Amino acid sequence: EVQVVESGGGLVQPGGSLRLSCAASGFTFSSHAMSWVRQAPGKGLEWVSAISGTGYSIYYADSVKGRFTISRDNSKNTLYLQMNNLRADDTGVYSCARHSSDWYSFDYWGQGTLVTVSS
Amino acid sequence: QTVLTQEPSFSVSPGGTVTLTCGLSSGSVSTNYYPSWYQQIPGQAPRTLIYNTNTRSSGVPDRFSGSILGNKAALTITGAQADDESDYYCAMYMGSGISIFGGGTKLTVL
Repeated sequence: EVQVVESGGGLVQPGGSLRLSCAASGFTFSSHAMSWVRQAPGKGLEWVSAISGTGYSIYYADSVKGRFTISRDNSKNTLYLQMNNLRADDTGVYSCARHSSDWYSFDYWGQGTLVTVSS
Repeated sequence: QTVLTQEPSFSVSPGGTVTLTCGLSSGSVSTNYYPSWYQQIPGQAPRTLIYNTNTRSSGVPDRFSGSILGNKAALTITGAQADDESDYYCAMYMGSGISIFGGGTKLTVL
């Protein structure tokens, strides 16, 4: 059974940092691109960042470029999101999503981890 | 900046048919954007319904179907059921690794 489970969320002050993790199981992790998708309270889904299966290709939404860093450790079947210089509008539930084999959509989602940026 | 536009809310009667749409601010939707659709019950993880315009994800009942209608992507639910009451999001692949989501449609079944 395919599973992705996020962790690492919490309360952080504006300007602070946080590192999220996503543990994957039930599939060949290195064969799939992965993304982080977030959802602000009461709002819709927002794609944040994507990384290819090898980790060689990386992409970011303009809203997080220069502040967030996506990475993966295929030996540990784990995806990461390093978030620096956090702002109040970064608050939300952060979910990892597995890309379909052709990259163009998402086929499995985690439940997410809540990040709250507040003083 | 490209935006996907969805109806904020929609209502359908049990057993009825509803079509939700997803428009592209920069022009017409085509299969080249690989439109996909996701269902999300508030507080739960999204569930993939449709990918590559009209391919149902594993386990999704055939009363959910995807298409291109005019210049928009469309999700049609035929024979709506009470547990279809949910938020529905479209997404498209914009190239260069970038994906975007629509603002979502809140579907009420009553």
